[in-house]
Amino acid sequence: NAGVTQTPKFRVLKTGQSMTLLCAQDMNHEYMYWYRQDPGMGLRLIHYSVGEGTTAKGEVPDGYNVSRLKKQNFLLGLESAAPSQTSVYFCASGEDLISYEQYFGPGTRLTVT
Amino acid sequence: DQQVKQNSPSLSVQEGRISILNCDYTNSMFDYFLWYKKYPAEGPTFLISISSIKDKNEDGRFTVFLNKSAKHLSLHIVPSQPGDSAVYFCAASAGTASKLTFGTGTRLQVTL
Repeated sequence: NAGVTQTPKFRVLKTGQSMTLLCAQDMNHEYMYWYRQDPGMGLRLIHYSVGEGTTAKGEVPDGYNVSRLKKQNFLLGLESAAPSQTSVYFCASGEDLISYEQYFGPGTRLTVT
Repeated sequence: DQQVKQNSPSLSVQEGRISILNCDYTNSMFDYFLWYKKYPAEGPTFLISISSIKDKNEDGRFTVFLNKSAKHLSLHIVPSQPGDSAVYFCAASAGTASKLTFGTGTRLQVTL
């Protein structure tokens, strides 16, 4: 099992460009999440999904869109990148409604110049 | 509004000694708490958790204590090992969609 994988690992964008980050999980989890990590800020939830075809806003959703067309995939889109979106992005999946444990991918480091 | 706070950005402990990492929360709806460990250039990995109906949970060298009245939890690592050097995040859940709210992290360095 690969667990949670993220593509790409690194990316540099210019202001105004768009891109999509792909997250895939092979654990058949219902729930998937996108976080961003910034220095001194911890991990903040951007968007999440509780099942195929569903998405919901998290703590910091502005400037991002998501889609969950297939259960195993969760896409994060930046329509018009801004320098404030320079961050490390983590995807996670989970299903244990008792322990709330989430499994994280290795992260994508995005720089917007 | 930081609902989960880790007030110590860093901690240095000698190998073999006890490491104590602290976490405070403000939301009384949180009913489950987790600790994650993160190495550089990797994603966070789950370490240990505790339900609000308990005040202690142990797993090997790791013990988490919960004081609900003080809205405080702590992670004890005994004995500390150099491989424990990492950033530790405290997280809390109020149950909805299993969403987690994370603290800002504490960088633990275990020295020889």
